[in-house]
Amino acid sequence: GEDVEQSLFLSVREGDSSVINCTYTDSSSTYLYWYKQEPGAGLQLLTYIFSNMDMKQDQRLTVLLNKKDKHLSLRIADTQTGDSAIYFCAETLLDTGRRALTFGSGTRLQVQP
Amino acid sequence: NAGVTQTPKFQVLKTGQSMTLQCAQDMNHNSMYWYRQDPGMGLRLIYYSASEGTTDKGEVPNGYNVSRLNKREFSLRLESAAPSQTSVYFCASSEGTGIQPQHFGDGTRLSIL
Repeated sequence: GEDVEQSLFLSVREGDSSVINCTYTDSSSTYLYWYKQEPGAGLQLLTYIFSNMDMKQDQRLTVLLNKKDKHLSLRIADTQTGDSAIYFCAETLLDTGRRALTFGSGTRLQVQP
Repeated sequence: NAGVTQTPKFQVLKTGQSMTLQCAQDMNHNSMYWYRQDPGMGLRLIYYSASEGTTDKGEVPNGYNVSRLNKREFSLRLESAAPSQTSVYFCASSEGTGIQPQHFGDGTRLSIL
């Protein structure tokens, strides 16, 4: 089976780096996603990585994947108050015919000025 | 840039009433999805449609029905609403199933008294 777990809450000061962590348990080939949800809004895709990659960088965002430990992290450099939101880790599987995403419960990021 | 549009944004129902949530996408995507989001939990898949003319059950389909009316539209129906169906409902679409990133609507907040 598969399960995606995240810590519930993270608080940082503006300008610091934020690191949001996620663990997944399935061992099949997979894509792993990070979504951002602002209050009252839907989910916005931030970035995604395939399980044969170790790292992906996109402007202030860095995704690191530790396949051995099944650990995924999202680093936000120079965190701004506009980054305050809930961040969801999600995975999809390629070799089981699974058609949709499995989500973690989300990490609420609070950025203090 | 409409993307995925959901209507209504808010709705209050009494137990036993019926309701159809509407979703439309203008990105010419083949696949569409309905999720529900409950406090402290990630999104859970209710139903999905891999392509026009097909629908399949997700993780929590009981109490719901869906219709893929055409390529653009995918509706979710509650035939006899129950308080346990109080939730925020999200529609999403993607070019195909599996690895394709999903694009989300802003959600429908549904309360059942």
